[in-house]
Amino acid sequence: AQSVTQLDSQVPVFEEAPVELRCNYSSSVSVYLFWYVQYPNQGLQLLLKYLSGSTLVKGINGFEAEFNKSQTSFHLRKPSVHISDTAEYFCAVSTTSGTYKYIFGTGTRLKVLA
Amino acid sequence: ETGVTQSPTHLIKTRGQQVTLRCSSQSGHNTVSWYQQALGQGPQFIFQYYREEENGRGNFPPRFSGLQFPNYSSELNVNALELDDSALYLCASSLGLAPGNEQFFGPGTRLTVL
Repeated sequence: AQSVTQLDSQVPVFEEAPVELRCNYSSSVSVYLFWYVQYPNQGLQLLLKYLSGSTLVKGINGFEAEFNKSQTSFHLRKPSVHISDTAEYFCAVSTTSGTYKYIFGTGTRLKVLA
Repeated sequence: ETGVTQSPTHLIKTRGQQVTLRCSSQSGHNTVSWYQQALGQGPQFIFQYYREEENGRGNFPPRFSGLQFPNYSSELNVNALELDDSALYLCASSLGLAPGNEQFFGPGTRLTVL
C-alpha cells in the first residue's frame, strides 16, 4: 500500500519570499508523483508530475519539485511567491501499474502575506 | 475544449436518503475517477470507470456505487446517507489507463447530510 505525508498543515510566508512544501511518501513499489493546487471553491489543478528521468521537475506558475528516492520525498519549491499563490497544495502518488488511482496527502495550506 | 463539469454544485440531504451526483468528462476522455474530500482532508479514491466498466475501488462500502455511460459521462450514487458522507465529491477524467496520464478534475459537488 502507498501513503503520502504532508507534515505541514499550514505554511505562512511573506510575498516574494521562497517557499518549500514538504511531501514524503511510502511505497513498496515504484510510484509516480504529483503536486496539485486547489484554489477556494475550485477543483484540483496539476502543478507538475514526476514519471521518470530528471529528478528535478519544473511545473506551471514557477513551481518546481525534486524527487529524492533515497529519502522518499518530493518537496515543492518556489523561489518567490505571490499573493495569488495562496491556496491548498496536495501531493499525490499513483502506482505505475494495476489500478490507476491517486493517493493524496492531507494538504498544505500556503498563505502568502503582504 | 470543454473541461470536466459536475452537477449539482451543492446539495443538501438528510440521513437515510439517496443521492446521485453527475460528471461529464473532458472531451475524448474515457476514464473517470471519483474522489471524496472531507473537510480539511485530501481527496480519497472511491472508484474508477474505464469504458463503462469499474476498474478499481477504494475502501468505501457498497452503498457507494457508480455508472459510466457510452458517452463516458458518469454518475456516483450513494444510498442510505450518513452524516459522515458530508464532503466535496470530485470527479476526474483522463485518457486511457496509463497511470502517468494526467487526471483533470471538475469543480466538485458539495454534499451536506443533515
